[in-house]
Amino acid sequence: RKEVEQDPGPFNVPEGATVAFNCTYSNSASQSFFWYRQDCRKEPKLLMSVYSSGNEDGRFTAQLNRASQYISLLIRDSKLSDSATYLCVVNMAGGSYIPTFGRGTSLIVHP
Amino acid sequence: DAGITQSPRYKITETGRQVTLMCHQTWSHSYMFWYRQDLGHGLRLIYYSAAADITDKGEVPDGYVVSRSKTENFPLTLESATRSQTSVYFCASSEFEGVTGELFFGEGSRLTVL
Repeated sequence: RKEVEQDPGPFNVPEGATVAFNCTYSNSASQSFFWYRQDCRKEPKLLMSVYSSGNEDGRFTAQLNRASQYISLLIRDSKLSDSATYLCVVNMAGGSYIPTFGRGTSLIVHP
Repeated sequence: DAGITQSPRYKITETGRQVTLMCHQTWSHSYMFWYRQDLGHGLRLIYYSAAADITDKGEVPDGYVVSRSKTENFPLTLESATRSQTSVYFCASSEFEGVTGELFFGEGSRLTVL
């Protein structure tokens, strides 16, 4: 079982739709969680960190569920420019920093 | 300019040759990482370094060698390239602050092994 799992998609949604991705992780001792965005095999870039209390940045909302060991990303009012791959990243080890990536979820927003 | 740079950006080589991918960062971040990205696998960690002269294996280290004599440089060497090492390689750096830290990636090095 992979340590960080994501549905690869693709998720095909029309502009204006709301779409949600989940990511599950296996190590209950994981300490920090992130969503990164990657465009067309370019370098990944941080979209947002995920805090226990949840956090929101404009149209994007991230949440953490430690009991069920998953994080989620909600995108409201999807734009064409949101089309990308969304990577879930979990810091797997306590005491050192070893970010582990999920395989990514592909989002395609169409007119 | 501050940032993280990788070279070469594109490389074609033959099976059995030695290849070195360079990574340089200007922030003096303590942590540096090498990932490879292949279709169907996402980003997989090859090696990482917590500081100069400290390196450790990641998920897929076989066939690779790293060194970190200076904080800003973290070269990755394929000692004898194989076709299975054809991939996109990303270097990243981070300042680990307690339990978290943003990863900053280079633009990637696209390696083809014939």
